[in-house]
Amino acid sequence: QKEVEQDPGPLSVPEGAIVSLNCTYSNSAFQYFMWYRQYSRKGPELLMYTYSSGNKEDGRFTAQVDKSSKYISLFIRDSQPSDSATYLCAMSRGGGFVNTDKLIFGTGTRLQVFP
Amino acid sequence: GAGVSQSPSNKVTEKGKDVELRCDPISGHTALYWYRQSLGQGLEFLIYFQGNSAPDKSGLPSDRFSAERTGGSVSTLTIQRTQQEDSAVYLCASSFQAHNTGELFFGEGSRLTVL
Repeated sequence: QKEVEQDPGPLSVPEGAIVSLNCTYSNSAFQYFMWYRQYSRKGPELLMYTYSSGNKEDGRFTAQVDKSSKYISLFIRDSQPSDSATYLCAMSRGGGFVNTDKLIFGTGTRLQVFP
Repeated sequence: GAGVSQSPSNKVTEKGKDVELRCDPISGHTALYWYRQSLGQGLEFLIYFQGNSAPDKSGLPSDRFSAERTGGSVSTLTIQRTQQEDSAVYLCASSFQAHNTGELFFGEGSRLTVL
């Protein structure tokens, strides 16, 4: 079993839809949770960062962490064609690589938003 | 440049040949990471350099893989006697010290194809 599980998709939605992307994990020591966005043929870029449980909102994006269920989510409101990309969850025990802890990534979910 | 620079962007080689992949991190970033991304897979951690500390090599898949970082800046990932399963996108990332936000700045990757 992988430490981090993520449905690879693809997920195809119409413009304006609310998108829900999710990851589950097995290591209860994870405390830092991130979402990266990767456009085709590009490197991933940080989209959202949360610490421990709770919600964080940034514009059309909301990240949720439920440590009791070992489940994290990314919601995208009013989705746009420009949101079409692969979304990767990532997590670690320490702050990024503090104490040489690794950043563990999910496989990524490919999202397509059509006009 | 302002971002992480990787070369070559594409490399096609024959099985059994050695390859070198180069990464030029963002100026001033003390931490440098190599990840591998295969089709349908997440980002697989390979190796991590932090300042003058000994690198964390725990993700290197075999002794055919090695990496060095000269002068705390440019890094080279070397794959000896390449195999077809080495075909993947090799991503380099850098960050400022042992960060707390999980923000790794990625290059666009080196796409390796082993025939």
